[in-house]
Amino acid sequence: NAGVTQTPKFQVLKTGQSMTLQCAQDMNHEYMSWYRQDPGMGLRLIHYSVGAGITDQGEVPNGYNVSRSTTEDFPLRLLSAAPSQTSVYFCASSYAPTGLGGNTIYFGEGSWLTVV
Amino acid sequence: TQLLEQSPQFLSIQEGENLTVYCNSSSVFSSLQWYRQEPGEGPVLLVTVVTGGEVKKLKRLTFQFGDARKDSSLHITAAQPGDTGLYLCAGGDFGNEKLTFGTGTRLTIIP
Repeated sequence: NAGVTQTPKFQVLKTGQSMTLQCAQDMNHEYMSWYRQDPGMGLRLIHYSVGAGITDQGEVPNGYNVSRSTTEDFPLRLLSAAPSQTSVYFCASSYAPTGLGGNTIYFGEGSWLTVV
Repeated sequence: TQLLEQSPQFLSIQEGENLTVYCNSSSVFSSLQWYRQEPGEGPVLLVTVVTGGEVKKLKRLTFQFGDARKDSSLHITAAQPGDTGLYLCAGGDFGNEKLTFGTGTRLTIIP
C-alpha cells in the first residue's frame, strides 16, 4: 500500500550542487505535481504533469526541471542549488485534474532540503 | 495570480471548545478542498466542496463553500487533541491544473 513515495527524506546540499528528488506512485495516476512548502506560504506549485511525456510550469518553476518518461515516476531536478531553495518538497498524484470536484489528491511524506 | 488567505494563522484552544477557520479569496474557484497536515507528513484531503452554498459534514467538522465560490469555512465542534494540525484550504479551477493553496491555519487543542 505504497501510494506516493518520495526519496530522499532529508538532504543537505552545498550552494551550486545539483540533485534529483525522486517521486513514484503505484496508483496508475495520470496527474502528478511537485509543490514546495515554506512557513506562512502554504504550498506552491513548482511543476506538474498531466501524463507521460507532458509537463508544464507551475507558480515557482525557476531553478527546477522535471520530466515524465513513465506514468509512475516524476523526478524533480535542482540544477544549481541556492539557499532560497531550502524548503520542504511534496510530490502529489491524482487520477483526474486537480480542479475537479470529487478528485482525491494523494501527497507523499515530503523531502526536507537544506541548501547551505 | 489567485490568492487564498486563511485566518487565523494560529489558533490554540481548550479541548471541548468550538472553533471556525476561514479561507478567503477575491477569485472564484470551481472547487474548494480542505486538508489536514500533521508534522512530518504530507497533507491529507478532508473534503471537497464544489457548489456555491454547499455544506458538508464530517463527524464534528462542518465545511461550507460560500455562495459566490470565493470563500469557505471550517467549523469544528467540541475540539479534541486529535484535531491538532495544520489546516490548509485549496482552490481548484476547471481547465487549469494549478491548485492554489491557502496560507494555512495551525491549530493546537490543549487537553
